[in-house]
Amino acid sequence: AQRVTQPEKLLSVFKGAPVELKCNYSYSGSPELFWYVQYSRQRLQLLLRHISRESIKGFTADLNKGETSFHLKKPFAQEEDSAMYYCALSPNFGNEKLTFGTGTRLTIIP
Amino acid sequence: KAGVTQTPRYLIKTRGQQVTLSCSPISGHRSVSWYQQTPGQGLQFLFEYFSETQRNKGNFPGRFSGRQFSNSRSEMNVSTLELGDSALYLCASSLAGAAEAFFGQGTRLTVV
Repeated sequence: AQRVTQPEKLLSVFKGAPVELKCNYSYSGSPELFWYVQYSRQRLQLLLRHISRESIKGFTADLNKGETSFHLKKPFAQEEDSAMYYCALSPNFGNEKLTFGTGTRLTIIP
Repeated sequence: KAGVTQTPRYLIKTRGQQVTLSCSPISGHRSVSWYQQTPGQGLQFLFEYFSETQRNKGNFPGRFSGRQFSNSRSEMNVSTLELGDSALYLCASSLAGAAEAFFGQGTRLTVV
C-alpha cells in the first residue's frame, strides 16, 4: 500500500526567506503526486501536481523518483503563504484515490 | 459552476446517536470521496463511491457507511457515535478516472 510522509508538522519561516516543505512517499508503481493547500477558513484546494510541471503562486515541486520525494519549494516566502499544506499521492498514473500525508502548517513571520 | 456542497456545516450530537452527512458533487463528477480530518491524524480516507458503487474503503469501523445516488449525490452515515468521531468530514468530487479532487467546505461534527 502507498504511504505519504510529511516529517514536519509545523514550519515557521521569515518573510522573504526560502521555503521548503518536505514530502516523501512509498509506492512501487507509477504515482502522481500533488500538493493541496488549505488557507484559513477556506476549503482544501489543489496547489499543484507534478505532471503539469507548473509554478503556482511561486511554488514548485520536483518529483525525485530516486529519493521518492516531492518537496515543495518557494524562493521567497510571503505572508499570504501561511496555510496548511498536504502532500498527496494517487497510484496508477493518477487514476486511483488520493492518499494524503498528515500535513505541515506553514507560518510566515512578518 | 457550483462547487462541492456539504450539508449541514455544523452538527452537535451526543454519544450513541447516529448522524447522516450529505455531499453534492460538482455537476458531471461521478466520483465522490469522503475524508475525516482531525488535528492529530490529518486527512484520513473513509471511502469512495463511483456510479453508486463503493470503489474503495479506508480503515474505519463498520459504524461508518455511505452511499451514492443516481445523481451522484452522496451521503455518509455514522452510527453509535463516539467522542472520538468528532472531526471535520470532507467530501471531494472528481471526474471519472481523474485524481484531481475538488473539496467541499466540510461538516464539522462534535460529539458530546
